[in-house]
Amino acid sequence: SQTIHQWPATLVQPVGSPLSLECTVEGTSNPNLYWYRQAAGRGLQLLFYSVGIGQISSEVPQNLSASRPQDRQFILSSKKLLLSDSGFYLCAWERTRGQYFGPGTRLTVL
Amino acid sequence: AQSVTQLDSQVPVFEEAPVELRCNYSSSVSVYLFWYVQYPNQGLQLLLKYLSGSTLVKGINGFEAEFNKSQTSFHLRKPSVHISDTAEYFCAVSGVMKTSYDKVIFGPGTSLSVIP
Repeated sequence: SQTIHQWPATLVQPVGSPLSLECTVEGTSNPNLYWYRQAAGRGLQLLFYSVGIGQISSEVPQNLSASRPQDRQFILSSKKLLLSDSGFYLCAWERTRGQYFGPGTRLTVL
Repeated sequence: AQSVTQLDSQVPVFEEAPVELRCNYSSSVSVYLFWYVQYPNQGLQLLLKYLSGSTLVKGINGFEAEFNKSQTSFHLRKPSVHISDTAEYFCAVSGVMKTSYDKVIFGPGTSLSVIP
């Protein structure tokens, strides 16, 4: 069966510090991968998606970036965090028209 | 482009009562439709999906949804709710297109609160 992992589960970072969130999928190959952000009390915002290694599409201009160095690994990064980057970050993979989400990372920028 | 509307931001319901969470969508092409549930501080879990075929779709935890093309709706129902159903529910839509990626559009969510 397929599983998706995200780490860390929670993170508190100061403004201006770098960020690296990791997502890995097990039990499947060549999945479509997604990064979403969920601000408090709001819906999901698609940040990035990837259909293959090294292929990244950005949905929203911002100070975040994504990379896919391996088939089942998806990384979300920032060089300098802003207060507005706080939120719940969710990674998802897609199979037969249905997205399956990881447990999420709660990021607080102070 | 597709869009999703969930008219009810909050739905309180007594335990063992039936519930319906409303979802309407707009699209210029055929669609796939989904319902997800999110418990506090967790990721989203796929409840059910409509891809084609029967318009009545059954999902996990006793939920079902009916695709109504003429009314562009995909309402979620459960005949008898439990305390454990308290969560945020998201309706989502994607277009049926011949590409490797079709963006999934999520609604704003409906917060279901089951009252003992």
